[in-house]
Formats: sequence, structure tokens, C-alpha cells
Amino acid sequence: QPVLTQSSSASASLGSSVKLTCTLSSGHSSYIIAWHQQQPGKAPRYLMKLEGSGSYNKGSGVPDRFSGSSSGADRYLTISNLQSEDEADYYCETWDSNTQVFGGGTKLTVL
Amino acid sequence: EVQLVESGGGLVQPGGSLRLSCAASGFTFSSYWMSWVRQAPGKGLEWVANIKQDGSEKYYVDSVKGRFTISRDNAKNSLYLQMNSLRAEDTAVYYCARGGAGYSSGWCNYWGQGTLVTVSS
Repeated sequence: QPVLTQSSSASASLGSSVKLTCTLSSGHSSYIIAWHQQQPGKAPRYLMKLEGSGSYNKGSGVPDRFSGSSSGADRYLTISNLQSEDEADYYCETWDSNTQVFGGGTKLTVL
Repeated sequence: EVQLVESGGGLVQPGGSLRLSCAASGFTFSSYWMSWVRQAPGKGLEWVANIKQDGSEKYYVDSVKGRFTISRDNAKNSLYLQMNSLRAEDTAVYYCARGGAGYSSGWCNYWGQGTLVTVSS
């Protein structure tokens, strides 16, 4: 079963860019993941699907400021031109043999 | 527009039962895997269970096996989670989520607003 590892917190200034990382466990470096955003007090929102090749497909209405990339077992979510509403928890997700797993989440603070 | 609306949450005593429902609209419900995901207070997301399009396959996280049962009614565009032998650690917001349209469950690509389950005496 894959394990997803995320840093617990990150911070960046308003208008800058930030790159969040989700790392797949050994033996699972080719897996597709999904990124989700959860703003305070709200339900999660699907952001994108991200492949090991770096190809990504965003969900409906996700701003252009959000993009994805990959390197080996690492999957990245980059947010450009940070806005105050980007302050949220970000989770990665993957699946194997029809069982799903989430990373522990990264709390992003916009300074 | 895809909509997922959960209901059925509430306060229940340890050892008790509760049945959650999720009403789906805006897509062909019978074509998608569906999942339940929960979030304990102040904690991260935890996948609980999922079910294949025709209900023929169901998968659970180890901590709920034998206690929770996921089911669906494609005629009613509805997803259910029967929760028995509830424990304090089951206290969480429970989200309904849409999965993939293919042979494998895939990832959650739409989420409901959630329903709160509190297990306490």
C-alpha cells in the first residue's frame, strides 16, 4: 500500500509563489496522485490529477495559478501569485487495488 | 452541476448505530465509483470506504471493517454508509465523494459538504 508524505506546514508571501511536495513511498514512484484544497471550515475541493510524467488535469474552475509537476517519487503543487484565499490545507491522494490513501496534509499560510 | 448532499449525521452513544446518506445529482451516478471519506476534529482526511459502479465490489479501511457497510441505490442516485458498533474515535465529519468512471476506483474528484457524526455518552 502506498504511503504519501507531506510537510506539515508551509508559508509564503502574498503575490509570491509556493511549491508544495507530496512524496510517494518506495516502489510507488510511478503512481498518479490527486491534489485537494481545504479552506478553513469548508469541504475539500479537488484541484487536479497529476501523473508521474508531470502531466496534469485540473478540476472545474481551478484557477490558472495552480499547476502541477513531478520528479521521481515527488509530486508538486505550485501556486503562483498567492492570494489570501489560498490559505488552506492541501492534501494529496492516491490509490492502489481500489483502496485510497491520503497524505497528512500541508497547512499553507499566506503572509 | 455535480452535487453531493450528505445527511444522517448526529449524536450517538458508543456502541450505537447510524446510517449516512448521500444524494447525488448532475452526473450519471451509476457510472462512477463512490467513496466515503472522514475527517476527525483537527485532523486530516481519512478514506473510509468505496463501492464500485454496480455495487459488486466494496473496500474498507481496516479500522471500520466488520462495523461499517457501504451500499448504493443507483435507481435513487444515492450512496449510504451503515455504521454499527460506533466508537468515540469514529467522531468526524463524513464526506461523500465521487470517484472514477473506469474499472478502478481512482481519486475523489467531487466532494459533498459533509455531515458530522459525534459518538459520545
